Amino acid sequence: EAQVTQNPRYLITVTGKKLTVTCSQNMNHEYMSWYRQDPGLGLRQIYYSMNVEVTDKGDVPEGYKVSRKEKRNFPLILESPSPNQTSLYFCASRTSGFQETQYFGPGTRLLVL
Amino acid sequence: KQEVTQIPAALSVPEGENLVLNCSFTDSAIYNLQWFRQDPGKGLTSLLLIQSSQREQTSGRLNASLDKSSGRSTLYIAASQPGDSATYLCAVSNAGGTSYGKLTFGQGTILTVHP
Repeated sequence: EAQVTQNPRYLITVTGKKLTVTCSQNMNHEYMSWYRQDPGLGLRQIYYSMNVEVTDKGDVPEGYKVSRKEKRNFPLILESPSPNQTSLYFCASRTSGFQETQYFGPGTRLLVL
Repeated sequence: KQEVTQIPAALSVPEGENLVLNCSFTDSAIYNLQWFRQDPGKGLTSLLLIQSSQREQTSGRLNASLDKSSGRSTLYIAASQPGDSATYLCAVSNAGGTSYGKLTFGQGTILTVHP
């Protein structure tokens, strides 16, 4: 089954404790992206990757890092989480064509205390 | 900078009604427009994708239209059912400047269909 998976689905952590949210897709997609969703602000792009070893900032990259060492994986790293990073995070992927739809993962709900 | 607005923010209708959700965007330089559905605590499911050269797309009881020149799209849901209750999100894939291929989302319309 074609899908985007994220782990963990739920995470409670404390300020400053490094964490990684994994994202994996099995559709051989070139493009992958991370979004955060907050009430009243909608979905905003954090980082995206056009292909392996090619990443770039989205609208709200501060406090986040990403890497793309393999085509199928695109982890999101919070080196020193803060309470304002409490949010619902989505990973998405699509083929390289801009006309194509994006497929979204189930989301990761993060609470930073 | 692209901005996407959805009206209304929330809508409550009785089962069986036909309804229209609206989406507007400020920059007409887009590759396509998508409508997504999001159930509470869940991910996004793509409902319809309209390429910039198209005027509408249909899937079952759903019909989406696109008027790129005026920056508007509508999602029409026929004969609504309680199972249609969800948040509906509109997103455009930008074709302009450095934002090419990036999705810009509206804030969504929360739809409740009551029996």
